[in-house]
Amino acid sequence: AQSVSQHNHHVILSEAASLELGCNYSYGGTVNLFWYVQYPGQHLQLLLKYFSGDPLVKGIKGFEAEFIKSKFSFNLRKPSVQWSDTAEYFCAVNAVGTGRRALTFGSGTRLQVQP
Amino acid sequence: GAGVSQSPSNKVTEKGKDVELRCDPISGHTALYWYRQSLGQGLEFLIYFQGNSAPDKSGLPSDRFSAERTGGSVSTLTIQRTQQEDSAVYLCASSLGPEWADTQYFGPGTRLTVL
Repeated sequence: AQSVSQHNHHVILSEAASLELGCNYSYGGTVNLFWYVQYPGQHLQLLLKYFSGDPLVKGIKGFEAEFIKSKFSFNLRKPSVQWSDTAEYFCAVNAVGTGRRALTFGSGTRLQVQP
Repeated sequence: GAGVSQSPSNKVTEKGKDVELRCDPISGHTALYWYRQSLGQGLEFLIYFQGNSAPDKSGLPSDRFSAERTGGSVSTLTIQRTQQEDSAVYLCASSLGPEWADTQYFGPGTRLTVL
């Protein structure tokens, strides 16, 4: 079964710092990859997704992620974070061609941006 | 348009009681998913509906959990004889169809507390 690892559980940054959150998955076949964000008191929202094509994916609010197939990774990046980026970030995968449509989520990374 | 809605937003119940949680997916979305989010467990898949059928129930933790979907729309998740370990936020998501590329949109969740 596929699994997703997010190695950074809690990240604290100052405003304008650069961000990179790690995500690794374990499935050797074709995958769809997602980053979701949960702002305080709000529900999960899609940040960006990768299905095929250009491995560098751009999402909302200046976020981007790069799919590196050889490393089974889909790291999230942002060149300059803002206080409003304080949230919990979840990486998710679904394994194309398996019997499972549901997403498998990582355990999440809590990002705290200090003004 | 309207997003995924869930009710109630909060539910406090006593151990041993039955509870019903409701999900209204985005209009026209044929696929519906239930997940739960608990401390220390992250986001776990429970059940997937395509139309009114549930081809994947593999995430239901015990036979105390059941779900149904009627009219290809509203879904109800029922937990019988609730236990304290059932305390979690129960999330519903819907997607346009069963295609791997279809994005799942999440509702605000129902926070269940079992005393």
